[in-house]
Amino acid sequence: ETGVTQTPRHLVMGMTNKKSLKCEQHLGHNAMYWYKQSAKKPLELMFVYSLEERVENNSVPSRFSPECPNSSHLFLHLHTLQPEDSALYLCASSQELAGGPRETQYFGPGTRLLVL
Amino acid sequence: LAKTTQPISMDSYEGQEVNITCSHNNIATNDYITWYQQFPSQGPRFIIQGYKTKVTNEVASLFIPADRKSSTLSLPRVSLSDTAVYYCLVGDLLSGNTGKLIFGQGTTLQVKP
Repeated sequence: ETGVTQTPRHLVMGMTNKKSLKCEQHLGHNAMYWYKQSAKKPLELMFVYSLEERVENNSVPSRFSPECPNSSHLFLHLHTLQPEDSALYLCASSQELAGGPRETQYFGPGTRLLVL
Repeated sequence: LAKTTQPISMDSYEGQEVNITCSHNNIATNDYITWYQQFPSQGPRFIIQGYKTKVTNEVASLFIPADRKSSTLSLPRVSLSDTAVYYCLVGDLLSGNTGKLIFGQGTTLQVKP
């Protein structure tokens, strides 16, 4: 257990559905992240939040909408997705913004999403 | 942006030392180098981080040459449970240049008995 939980673990949705992914961290961290991991591709950073403010949006389509109501929770709202959006969506957190010394990211187990 | 390049895959046998090299020719002054390990159906897990020279912990060692354009993750005496994908990560959000967290392609290490 890393202290980061994600629900649901698996999700199947149609292209017209609206669903949300939830991430919760129990580590008292200030930064949270959403990543997308497609088959045979590197992890792609989607969104970064620091102290509940979005600090990075890596040109993600608007059908993905993040929400960070507090420093412990992060949501990814999904709407009218495409089949190519099927992937493993990973949430992570770190004490402060990652990249510098000792700012390790702790990852959740991911949500396996299938869009039909 | 610092981009990383790693071998796609490596094979090894139990008890051997494994060295995985990551190239990051465009690494910036403020960038740190971090390695993660990922097992199937799990999120990545931190292994080691360094800025220059050599770093060692209970799991691995990280060698970084003076020019910092590459780094080598060294796993001593691997076991079957070390079979995983290893990612090299270079980036620094603290400098204000967001979006610089870039994962490499990852190296799939297969440890054989």
